[in-house]
Amino acid sequence: DAKTTQPNSMESNEEEPVHLPCNHSTISGTDYIHWYRQLPSQGPEYVIHGLTSNVNNRMASLAIAEDRKSSTLILHRATLRDAAVYYCILRGAGEGAQKLVFGQGTRLTINP
Amino acid sequence: DAGVIQSPRHEVTEMGQEVTLRCKPISGHNSLFWYRQTMMRGLELLIYFNNNVPIDDSGMPEDRFSAKMPNASFSTLKIQPSEPRDSAVYFCASRLQQGRTDTQYFGPGTRLTVL
Repeated sequence: DAKTTQPNSMESNEEEPVHLPCNHSTISGTDYIHWYRQLPSQGPEYVIHGLTSNVNNRMASLAIAEDRKSSTLILHRATLRDAAVYYCILRGAGEGAQKLVFGQGTRLTINP
Repeated sequence: DAGVIQSPRHEVTEMGQEVTLRCKPISGHNSLFWYRQTMMRGLELLIYFNNNVPIDDSGMPEDRFSAKMPNASFSTLKIQPSEPRDSAVYFCASRLQQGRTDTQYFGPGTRLTVL
């Protein structure tokens, strides 16, 4: 599985935007970029995913670099509830590539 | 929808005892995953099923671990005999494998402590 690199931790303030970076220099042309997050004492939850174009949903935006070697998860207006560990994961598109391989993620702290 | 249901939520047992963790996936989902999370190793995939058939069990640590999925609405992960190093949070996740739909939905987890 292609590997991702994320900062161990980040800190931001409530109601400010947060940009969570992810490097994936060995990404292949068919790898999708997925983001999950894990709130304290809960299972991971899906945030967003994309292939080449930037993506938006009600939770966040995903900005993908033109060469696809990096991406950024954007929380437009952080709340205390967004404090979590955020995982950036690469996943292939084939039938056999069904596994999600979780790294250590970025622990996001939100200050009130 | 109730989401993925796991039971028990907490389990404390003594070394050598058999432990059975249970999972009910989201109705209609056809893929099921078992993960283990520890501070040292993070979140690891143990095994996953498609249409009740085990596809990849390469993450199962050893023969003491076994998983079954007798039908589409139920799966078990069994550890026999249990050891202190098995202490972890075990998550079950399910997914509807349909085209490019990838989202896995995780349960709340079972926190296992082996004394």
